Amino acid sequence: EVVLTQSPGTLSLSPGERATLSCRASQSVNANYLAWYQQKPGQAPRLLIYGASSRATGIPDRFSGSGSGTDFTLTITRLEPEDFAVYYCHQYGSLYTFGQGTKLEIK
Amino acid sequence: QVQLQESGPGLVKPSETLSLICTISGYSISSDDYWGWIRQPPGEGLEWIGSIYRTGSTYYNASLKSRVTISADMSKNQFSLKLRFVTAADTAVYFCAGDKNGFHSWGQGTLVTVSS
Repeated sequence: EVVLTQSPGTLSLSPGERATLSCRASQSVNANYLAWYQQKPGQAPRLLIYGASSRATGIPDRFSGSGSGTDFTLTITRLEPEDFAVYYCHQYGSLYTFGQGTKLEIK
Repeated sequence: QVQLQESGPGLVKPSETLSLICTISGYSISSDDYWGWIRQPPGEGLEWIGSIYRTGSTYYNASLKSRVTISADMSKNQFSLKLRFVTAADTAVYFCAGDKNGFHSWGQGTLVTVSS
Protein backbone atom coordinates (compact mmCIF):
# COMPACT_ATOMS: atom_id res chain seq x y z
CA GLU A 1 0.00 0.00 0.00
CA VAL A 2 1.21 3.48 -0.89
CA VAL A 3 1.20 5.59 2.27
CA LEU A 4 0.83 9.34 1.79
CA THR A 5 2.16 11.70 4.47
CA GLN A 6 1.06 15.33 4.34
CA SER A 7 2.84 18.23 5.99
CA PRO A 8 2.34 20.38 7.84
CA GLY A 9 -0.65 19.14 9.78
CA THR A 10 -1.86 22.71 10.23
CA LEU A 11 -0.80 25.81 8.31
CA SER A 12 -1.67 29.27 9.65
CA LEU A 13 -1.55 32.05 7.09
CA SER A 14 -3.24 35.33 6.25
CA PRO A 15 -5.32 36.18 3.16
CA GLY A 16 -3.06 37.31 0.35
CA GLU A 17 -0.18 35.07 1.44
CA ARG A 18 1.15 32.02 -0.40
CA ALA A 19 0.49 28.50 0.86
CA THR A 20 2.71 25.51 0.17
CA LEU A 21 1.38 22.07 1.12
CA SER A 22 3.44 18.90 0.87
CA CYS A 23 2.53 15.28 0.18
CA ARG A 24 5.15 12.56 0.36
CA ALA A 25 4.56 9.00 -0.81
CA SER A 26 6.13 5.88 0.68
CA GLN A 27 6.93 4.71 -2.85
CA SER A 28 6.88 6.23 -6.29
CA VAL A 29 3.38 7.11 -7.47
CA ASN A 30 2.66 5.37 -10.76
CA ALA A 31 2.41 7.77 -13.70
CA ASN A 32 2.19 10.64 -11.21
CA TYR A 33 -1.43 9.72 -10.56
CA LEU A 34 -1.70 12.18 -7.69
CA ALA A 35 -4.70 14.38 -6.95
CA TRP A 36 -5.48 17.16 -4.47
CA TYR A 37 -8.85 17.94 -2.89
CA GLN A 38 -10.26 20.78 -0.82
CA GLN A 39 -12.84 20.04 1.85
CA LYS A 40 -14.86 22.56 3.82
CA PRO A 41 -16.87 21.64 6.95
CA GLY A 42 -20.03 19.73 6.18
CA GLN A 43 -19.20 19.43 2.49
CA ALA A 44 -17.87 16.76 0.19
CA PRO A 45 -14.31 17.12 -1.03
CA ARG A 46 -13.74 19.02 -4.28
CA LEU A 47 -11.18 17.91 -6.83
CA LEU A 48 -8.58 20.62 -7.42
CA ILE A 49 -5.65 18.94 -9.17
CA TYR A 50 -5.21 15.60 -10.95
CA GLY A 51 -2.21 14.01 -12.61
CA ALA A 52 -0.04 15.94 -10.13
CA SER A 53 -0.30 19.23 -12.02
CA SER A 54 -3.52 19.50 -14.06
CA ARG A 55 -6.25 21.76 -12.71
CA ALA A 56 -9.74 20.32 -12.60
CA THR A 57 -12.60 22.09 -14.35
CA GLY A 58 -13.43 25.46 -12.85
CA ILE A 59 -10.49 25.61 -10.46
CA PRO A 60 -8.87 29.08 -10.25
CA ASP A 61 -5.32 29.40 -11.51
CA ARG A 62 -4.06 30.44 -8.07
CA PHE A 63 -4.09 26.69 -7.34
CA SER A 64 -1.20 24.73 -8.82
CA GLY A 65 0.28 21.30 -8.33
CA SER A 66 3.78 20.08 -8.91
CA GLY A 67 6.08 17.18 -8.19
CA SER A 68 6.76 13.66 -9.31
CA GLY A 69 7.81 10.29 -7.97
CA THR A 70 7.37 10.51 -4.21
CA ASP A 71 7.23 14.27 -3.54
CA PHE A 72 4.31 16.47 -4.49
CA THR A 73 3.28 20.03 -3.67
CA LEU A 74 0.08 22.02 -3.80
CA THR A 75 0.66 25.76 -3.99
CA ILE A 76 -1.99 28.41 -3.49
CA THR A 77 -0.82 31.87 -4.42
CA ARG A 78 -2.61 34.91 -2.97
CA LEU A 79 -4.90 33.14 -0.48
CA GLU A 80 -8.56 34.14 -0.62
CA PRO A 81 -10.85 33.88 2.45
CA GLU A 82 -12.68 30.93 0.84
CA ASP A 83 -9.42 28.94 0.52
CA PHE A 84 -9.19 28.21 4.23
CA ALA A 85 -10.16 24.54 4.47
CA VAL A 86 -8.66 21.06 4.78
CA TYR A 87 -6.64 19.74 1.84
CA TYR A 88 -6.05 16.08 1.02
CA CYS A 89 -3.72 14.41 -1.43
CA HIS A 90 -4.76 11.15 -3.05
CA GLN A 91 -2.85 8.65 -5.14
CA TYR A 92 -4.67 6.51 -7.68
CA GLY A 93 -1.73 4.80 -9.33
CA SER A 94 -1.81 1.71 -7.13
CA LEU A 95 -5.31 1.19 -5.84
CA TYR A 96 -6.21 4.30 -3.89
CA THR A 97 -5.00 5.98 -0.73
CA PHE A 98 -5.45 9.42 0.83
CA GLY A 99 -3.13 11.52 2.91
CA GLN A 100 -4.24 12.48 6.40
CA GLY A 101 -4.91 16.09 5.42
CA THR A 102 -3.51 19.57 6.03
CA LYS A 103 -5.71 22.15 7.71
CA LEU A 104 -5.20 25.62 6.29
CA GLU A 105 -6.40 28.12 8.87
CA ILE A 106 -6.57 31.88 9.08
CA LYS A 107 -3.77 33.42 11.11
CA GLN B 1 -23.62 17.95 -14.87
CA VAL B 2 -23.04 14.76 -12.94
CA GLN B 3 -24.99 14.46 -9.71
CA LEU B 4 -24.71 11.66 -7.19
CA GLN B 5 -26.98 10.94 -4.24
CA GLU B 6 -26.43 8.44 -1.46
CA SER B 7 -29.37 6.76 0.21
CA GLY B 8 -29.82 4.20 2.94
CA PRO B 9 -30.34 3.76 6.68
CA GLY B 10 -28.65 6.23 8.98
CA LEU B 11 -28.49 3.75 11.85
CA VAL B 12 -27.19 0.19 11.74
CA LYS B 13 -26.82 -2.26 14.61
CA PRO B 14 -23.45 -3.81 15.45
CA SER B 15 -22.75 -7.07 13.59
CA GLU B 16 -25.35 -6.25 10.93
CA THR B 17 -24.86 -5.15 7.31
CA LEU B 18 -24.59 -1.54 6.21
CA SER B 19 -26.26 -1.05 2.80
CA LEU B 20 -26.13 2.11 0.75
CA ILE B 21 -27.14 3.03 -2.78
CA CYS B 22 -25.71 5.77 -4.95
CA THR B 23 -27.97 7.12 -7.68
CA ILE B 24 -26.29 8.89 -10.59
CA SER B 25 -28.08 11.54 -12.62
CA GLY B 26 -26.94 13.52 -15.63
CA TYR B 27 -24.40 10.87 -16.56
CA SER B 28 -24.38 7.21 -17.48
CA ILE B 29 -22.92 4.63 -15.14
CA SER B 30 -21.83 2.85 -18.31
CA SER B 31 -19.45 5.65 -19.24
CA ASP B 32 -15.68 5.28 -19.07
CA ASP B 33 -15.50 6.11 -15.36
CA TYR B 34 -15.00 4.20 -12.20
CA TRP B 35 -17.51 4.64 -9.39
CA GLY B 36 -16.35 4.54 -5.82
CA TRP B 37 -17.22 4.70 -2.15
CA ILE B 38 -15.21 6.75 0.33
CA ARG B 39 -15.89 7.23 4.02
CA GLN B 40 -14.92 9.75 6.67
CA PRO B 41 -15.28 9.05 10.39
CA PRO B 42 -16.37 12.11 12.39
CA GLY B 43 -13.48 14.54 12.68
CA GLU B 44 -11.10 12.31 10.72
CA GLY B 45 -9.71 11.94 7.21
CA LEU B 46 -10.86 10.18 4.07
CA GLU B 47 -10.69 6.43 3.54
CA TRP B 48 -11.28 4.80 0.17
CA ILE B 49 -13.53 1.73 0.50
CA GLY B 50 -13.67 0.42 -3.05
CA SER B 51 -14.61 1.07 -6.67
CA ILE B 52 -16.44 -0.55 -9.56
CA TYR B 53 -16.06 -0.21 -13.32
CA ARG B 54 -18.76 -0.59 -15.97
CA THR B 55 -17.49 -4.10 -16.75
CA GLY B 56 -18.33 -5.13 -13.20
CA SER B 57 -14.69 -5.27 -12.13
CA THR B 58 -14.30 -4.29 -8.51
CA TYR B 59 -11.35 -3.05 -6.44
CA TYR B 60 -11.34 -2.91 -2.67
CA ASN B 61 -9.31 -1.48 0.17
CA ALA B 62 -7.36 -4.43 1.53
CA SER B 63 -8.30 -3.55 5.10
CA LEU B 64 -12.02 -3.86 4.31
CA LYS B 65 -12.01 -6.39 1.48
CA SER B 66 -13.29 -9.31 3.52
CA ARG B 67 -16.45 -7.38 4.51
CA VAL B 68 -17.24 -5.28 1.43
CA THR B 69 -19.24 -5.85 -1.72
CA ILE B 70 -19.80 -3.15 -4.35
CA SER B 71 -22.19 -3.83 -7.21
CA ALA B 72 -23.92 -1.89 -9.96
CA ASP B 73 -27.40 -1.82 -11.47
CA MET B 74 -26.96 -0.42 -14.97
CA SER B 75 -30.71 -0.30 -15.61
CA LYS B 76 -31.23 2.03 -12.64
CA ASN B 77 -27.97 3.99 -13.08
CA GLN B 78 -27.04 3.07 -9.53
CA PHE B 79 -24.25 1.36 -7.65
CA SER B 80 -24.34 0.05 -4.13
CA LEU B 81 -22.22 -0.72 -1.09
CA LYS B 82 -22.63 -3.51 1.40
CA LEU B 83 -20.41 -3.65 4.48
CA ARG B 84 -20.93 -6.68 6.66
CA PHE B 85 -20.38 -7.24 10.38
CA VAL B 86 -20.19 -3.56 11.23
CA THR B 87 -18.84 -2.17 14.48
CA ALA B 88 -18.74 1.29 16.02
CA ALA B 89 -15.52 1.88 14.07
CA ASP B 90 -17.58 1.88 10.88
CA THR B 91 -19.50 4.98 11.97
CA ALA B 92 -18.74 7.58 9.32
CA VAL B 93 -20.04 9.81 6.59
CA TYR B 94 -20.16 7.68 3.45
CA PHE B 95 -19.63 9.35 0.09
CA CYS B 96 -20.11 7.97 -3.38
CA ALA B 97 -18.07 9.50 -6.18
CA GLY B 98 -17.28 9.30 -9.86
CA ASP B 99 -13.68 8.64 -10.68
CA LYS B 100 -11.65 9.37 -13.77
CA ASN B 101 -8.28 10.90 -12.99
CA GLY B 102 -9.35 11.54 -9.44
CA PHE B 103 -12.78 11.68 -7.84
CA HIS B 104 -14.34 14.43 -9.94
CA SER B 105 -17.92 14.28 -8.71
CA TRP B 106 -19.19 13.53 -5.22
CA GLY B 107 -22.46 12.93 -3.49
CA GLN B 108 -23.24 15.08 -0.47
CA GLY B 109 -22.48 12.17 1.86
CA THR B 110 -24.66 10.32 4.33
CA LEU B 111 -23.90 9.73 8.00
CA VAL B 112 -24.19 6.13 9.08
CA THR B 113 -24.03 5.46 12.79
CA VAL B 114 -23.40 1.97 14.14
CA SER B 115 -25.11 1.60 17.48
CA SER B 116 -27.50 -0.70 19.25
